[in-house]
Amino acid sequence: DARVTQTPRHKVTEMGQEVTMRCQPILGHNTVFWYRQTMMQGLELLAYFRNRAPLDDSGMPKDRFSAEMPDATLATLKIQPSEPRDSAVYFCASGLGEGVGQYFGPGTRLTVT
Amino acid sequence: QQQVKQSPQSLIVQKGGIPIINCAYENTAFDYFPWYQQFPGKGPALLIAIRPDVSEKKEGRFTISFNKSAKQFSLHIMDSQPGDSATYFCAATRDVFGNEKLTFGTGTRLTIIP
Repeated sequence: DARVTQTPRHKVTEMGQEVTMRCQPILGHNTVFWYRQTMMQGLELLAYFRNRAPLDDSGMPKDRFSAEMPDATLATLKIQPSEPRDSAVYFCASGLGEGVGQYFGPGTRLTVT
Repeated sequence: QQQVKQSPQSLIVQKGGIPIINCAYENTAFDYFPWYQQFPGKGPALLIAIRPDVSEKKEGRFTISFNKSAKQFSLHIMDSQPGDSATYFCAATRDVFGNEKLTFGTGTRLTIIP
């Protein structure tokens, strides 16, 4: 049963600390997305990659956020330094490429105190 | 022009009723309109999707109605069940293959009461 996996599922950290979230897209998917979900803003696109190359990161605060794909099986989202306003659920999704849209992972719930 | 407007924000329907969630868009470049269902603590899951060349699509108890001229689309859930209680998001994208970003509506929290 192919699925997107994300680690960690929950992260609590103090303001100023570095946070790294990881995503393993579905094998064979060539497009990977990072979304952030909050009650106030809903689902927002932060960045996405195609064939490991960044296509759009305009939704990301670039002074503190960075996204990479070191290889086809791993995408990372890093926040340094973290701030309380970064508290949210971060979702990774990968694109199937066969007309059925994007598959989402279970999310990483980040709490910054 | 990138927005997708969704209403209502929340909806309570009795079991067996037909909840209807509405969405509207501005960008005529959008070519694929998926609906996602999200249960608490889970990621959004693709429920049903439509392209602008058809006016209606049914999958089981879920139906999308699409009005291209009005740039509106809606989700209907027939014979709704308590297990349908979830948050529903409409979305739009330029690419049917899932390789372009989704623009999401703000979500509708649906509660089906027994």
